[in-house]
Amino acid sequence: DAKTTQPTSMDCAEGRAANLPCNHSTISGNEYVYWYRQIHSQGPQYIIHGLKNNETNEMASLIITEDRKSSTLILPHATLRDTAVYYCIVRVGHNAGNMLTFGGGTRLMVKP
Amino acid sequence: GAVVSQHPSWVICKSGTSVKIECRSLDFQATTMFWYRQFPKQSLMLMATSNEGSKATYEQGVEKDKFLINHASLTLSTLTVTSAHPEDSSFYICSARARTGVGEQFFGPGTRLTVL
Repeated sequence: DAKTTQPTSMDCAEGRAANLPCNHSTISGNEYVYWYRQIHSQGPQYIIHGLKNNETNEMASLIITEDRKSSTLILPHATLRDTAVYYCIVRVGHNAGNMLTFGGGTRLMVKP
Repeated sequence: GAVVSQHPSWVICKSGTSVKIECRSLDFQATTMFWYRQFPKQSLMLMATSNEGSKATYEQGVEKDKFLINHASLTLSTLTVTSAHPEDSSFYICSARARTGVGEQFFGPGTRLTVL
């Protein structure tokens, strides 16, 4: 699976959009970009995933660059409950049958 | 969404004792379950992968005789930390991959183990 690079930490004001970047310059054509988050002392929570098109769901939007070498997770209106570590993971789809490999992630702190 | 539970949510034990952690998929059948370990301020590290009815596959550096994994059914996997020591104190998290659908992984809430 391709390696990802994320900033160690970010701050965001409550109510503002949180934009979390991820670099995955070695991504292969059949690899998806997944985002999970982990609130303190809880298990990871799936947020969103995509292959090459931008994706949106009730939690967030995922913007993937045309060359697929980077992506951005957008939380449109961050709340204090969005404070968590956000993990960007690249792997070959759900059915690869393999584990998710977690990197260091980005610690997002939403401040009032 | 699919729910994965873990029991207990936290446990404190004496050094040398064994501790069993259960991971259950509550509303789906899981062909594969994964066990992760997370030390404070670190990321999740995969310990082992277990498939129902077969032996678990352990990651390099994880002692299979110390961390016993049993995946007896499509909804239950257990991790037993044998002869636990203080350095085994950690946050243990399981995830389950659904048998049907697209096979996404769902994570349990984690179990915090403290060995005195």
